[in-house]
Amino acid sequence: GESVGLHLPTLSVQEGDNSIINCAYSNSASDYFIWYKQESGKGPQFIIDIRSNMDKRQGQRVTVLLNKTVKHLSLQIAATQPGDSAVYFCAENGASGTYKYIFGTGTRLKVLA
Amino acid sequence: EAQVTQNPRYLITVTGKKLTVTCSQNMNHEYMSWYRQDPGLGLRQIYYSMNVEVTDKGDVPEGYKVSRKEKRNFPLILESPSPNQTSLYFCASSLVQGAEPQHFGDGTRLSIL
Repeated sequence: GESVGLHLPTLSVQEGDNSIINCAYSNSASDYFIWYKQESGKGPQFIIDIRSNMDKRQGQRVTVLLNKTVKHLSLQIAATQPGDSAVYFCAENGASGTYKYIFGTGTRLKVLA
Repeated sequence: EAQVTQNPRYLITVTGKKLTVTCSQNMNHEYMSWYRQDPGLGLRQIYYSMNVEVTDKGDVPEGYKVSRKEKRNFPLILESPSPNQTSLYFCASSLVQGAEPQHFGDGTRLSIL
């Protein structure tokens, strides 16, 4: 079946270092991918997205990389700050026309002072 | 301010007592969706709506109902709640499905005793 997974449930990084959060997806027909950040007691917040016709997209301190060959998605956070501590989810829209979103289980990012 | 508003934020109730969780968005979004979030399982889609009067099942629809009589509102109904529906629920909306990120509410924590 369709699934979106994350390799590491918890990632600890030193403040100021770069963070990389990984995600594997199984549906090669997915054409839209999203990263969300979820802080304690809040709903998921959109960070960055990418469409399948792109390999890389940059935002402010964040970069998403898409490798369609191995069905892999990553989120890079530059100069990680304490405020980046949260749970991060990747999501895919599944095949076009399914009208569903599929979320990974999440990775908790802990920023160490 | 653009937002998705859920009510109540917290509810403790008993098995079999019908309840409704309301969701309202002020962004004129066509697509709305309900998710439940459980430890280790991530976000799972319950129901979604492509537009007014158009709803469909997600991955875990059993025990839930929805309606979409107006574009801005998408209530989640539990006709006869059971303890296995104890969870954290999120409502989300987007302009369209599959090509835009969803905006999430802050969640409703339901406890069914």
